[in-house]
Amino acid sequence: DAKTTQPNSMESNEEEPVHLPCNHSTISGTDYIHWYRQLPSQGPEYVIHGLTSNVNNRMASLAIAEDRKSSTLILHRATLRDAAVYYCIVQRNQFYFGTGTSLTVIP
Amino acid sequence: GAVVSQHPSRVICKSGTSVKIECRSLDFQATTMFWYRQFPKQSLMLMATSNEGSKATYEQGVEKDKFLINHASLTLSTLTVTSAHPEDSSFYICSALTGGTEAFFGQGTRLTVV
Repeated sequence: DAKTTQPNSMESNEEEPVHLPCNHSTISGTDYIHWYRQLPSQGPEYVIHGLTSNVNNRMASLAIAEDRKSSTLILHRATLRDAAVYYCIVQRNQFYFGTGTSLTVIP
Repeated sequence: GAVVSQHPSRVICKSGTSVKIECRSLDFQATTMFWYRQFPKQSLMLMATSNEGSKATYEQGVEKDKFLINHASLTLSTLTVTSAHPEDSSFYICSALTGGTEAFFGQGTRLTVV
């Protein structure tokens, strides 16, 4: 399965947009890109997923590069409840988690 | 989204005993479920893939005789930690796959072996 690379941590001011990057240069044509987030002592929460086209849902937007070697999760207006570890996963069969990005939201 | 329920949420057991953790998909059928372990301040580590009606596939380095997985129905998978020792203390998380591309996670089980 393709390896993902994310920054260890990021900060954002409350009510500002946040762009969380993910590199997955070894992705294959049929691999899906998933984003999950996790709060301490909880299971991961589904955020969004996509294959080739950009995706929007009530939580976030997913922008996928044309060559699919990278993607960006966009939180349009960060709130304090968005503070979490965000994981980008490239799924072929299993869901392997990388180190994720710890997002801090500053009031 | 779909709901996956894990039980118990916390368990404390004595060293040498066995502990069973249940993972249920409440509103969908899951032919595939995954089991993870997470140590403090670390990411989730995939332990095994559980397929309904067949043997689980374990990741390299995971002892299949110690971590017994049973996926007897389309809505239930169980993980039994046999002869638990303090080093098995961890946060265990399951997930269930729906539609082949979406996985939903349980709330996790905190296992403490004393």
